[in-house]
Amino acid sequence: QVQLQESGPRLVKPSQTLSLTCTVSGASIRAGGFYWTWLRQRPGEGLEWIGCIFNSGTTDYNPSLKSRVTISPDTSNNRFSLELKFVTAADTAVYYCASESGAYLGLDSWGQGRLVTVSS
Amino acid sequence: IQLTQSPSTVSASVGDRVTITCRASQSISDLLAWYQQKPGKVPKLLIFKASSLESGVPSRFSGSGSGTDFTLTISSLQPDDFATYYCQHQSFGQGTKVDMK
Repeated sequence: QVQLQESGPRLVKPSQTLSLTCTVSGASIRAGGFYWTWLRQRPGEGLEWIGCIFNSGTTDYNPSLKSRVTISPDTSNNRFSLELKFVTAADTAVYYCASESGAYLGLDSWGQGRLVTVSS
Repeated sequence: IQLTQSPSTVSASVGDRVTITCRASQSISDLLAWYQQKPGKVPKLLIFKASSLESGVPSRFSGSGSGTDFTLTISSLQPDDFATYYCQHQSFGQGTKVDMK
């Protein structure tokens, strides 16, 4: 069973870069077929897909965030990370990492989520 | 591809049959998933590939549809089912809250 855990700062200043890491156990991020995904949920709002990484380095991003987002693998530590640049208060959200065992097969494993607040 | 769910809220009683729809802005074959989320909790996968029940999910949940029109049905609503439900292809629908009538 795949388990995921988010880590990183809980408070980020406006205009800076939000950086989070997702540590994976129970599967290798180098394993073919898995899609390692970042999502977020603003307070009181719905779920927003940020992007994913698969095949050890191929990425796909939400067009609305693409100019500010980077998802990258850390295969040595079986982790993948999220960077979101030039944050504003609108980026305050619970950030989740999740995985699915194939494209469009449903996100069946989730981290517990990490609330990140953007504030000075 | 945009997903539009309806209704935004459904008020129902225990034992009711509840149906939620999700419409895609273009055809997505059967590549649709449904999730349940309770306040403060992580979303839970219910249905994948439009109609396949995730392991461990009660059989009162079912999904149907293909192309652009999809449905999630709860055949007999249980107390544990009051929650918000989302459809997803890559992006998500806006969610449907099932609350108590």
